[in-house]
Amino acid sequence: KQEVTQIPAALSVPEGENLVLNCSFTDSAIYNLQWFRQDPGKGLTSLLLIQSSQREQTSGRLNASLDKSSGRSTLYIAASQPGDSATYLCAVERDRDDKIIFGKGTRLHILP
Amino acid sequence: DGGITQSPKYLFRKEGQNVTLSCEQNLNHDAMYWYRQDPGQGLRLIYYSQIVNDFQKGDIAEGYSVSREKKESFPLTVTSAQKNPTAFYLCASRLISNQPQHFGDGTRLSIL
Repeated sequence: KQEVTQIPAALSVPEGENLVLNCSFTDSAIYNLQWFRQDPGKGLTSLLLIQSSQREQTSGRLNASLDKSSGRSTLYIAASQPGDSATYLCAVERDRDDKIIFGKGTRLHILP
Repeated sequence: DGGITQSPKYLFRKEGQNVTLSCEQNLNHDAMYWYRQDPGQGLRLIYYSQIVNDFQKGDIAEGYSVSREKKESFPLTVTSAQKNPTAFYLCASRLISNQPQHFGDGTRLSIL
């Protein structure tokens, strides 16, 4: 059974710092991995999607990497800003058109 | 603007009552999903539909029902059989596999 774990559950860092959020999954046979952002009381916004054949994806200040063999993904946020404060969730899709399994998220607080 | 609309934003259920949550999308997406989110938890899949007039149970389908009569609409009914319905419900859609999911802003259901 695929399980997705995100550690730490919460993180506070000063504005301007670079930071890394971690995601691990138990079954390396995945179709893709996604990172989402969720603001309080809102739905999820997709940030990056990495297909199983890819090693990383970049969008602006965000970079996500994927290492299937070790069952890990990281989300790197450069030059953090207070507006980056949110919960970040990682999700894996086991197979094409299959269910998507979510982690519990990391709640990020950027200190002004 | 294209997107997913969930209504109502807040909903209250009385004991023994069925309630229906609405989800409408104008993105021309084939697949639609319903998730439940409890405080501090990741998203858990209730039902999903890959095509009109077809849907599959997710991990926590008991006490819930859905229909997919139109491509744009995927309503979720929380029946009286669901004994712990208080949660934040999120609807999502996507075009095809390996494309990111788009989420609505959610419906918060509480018990009176």
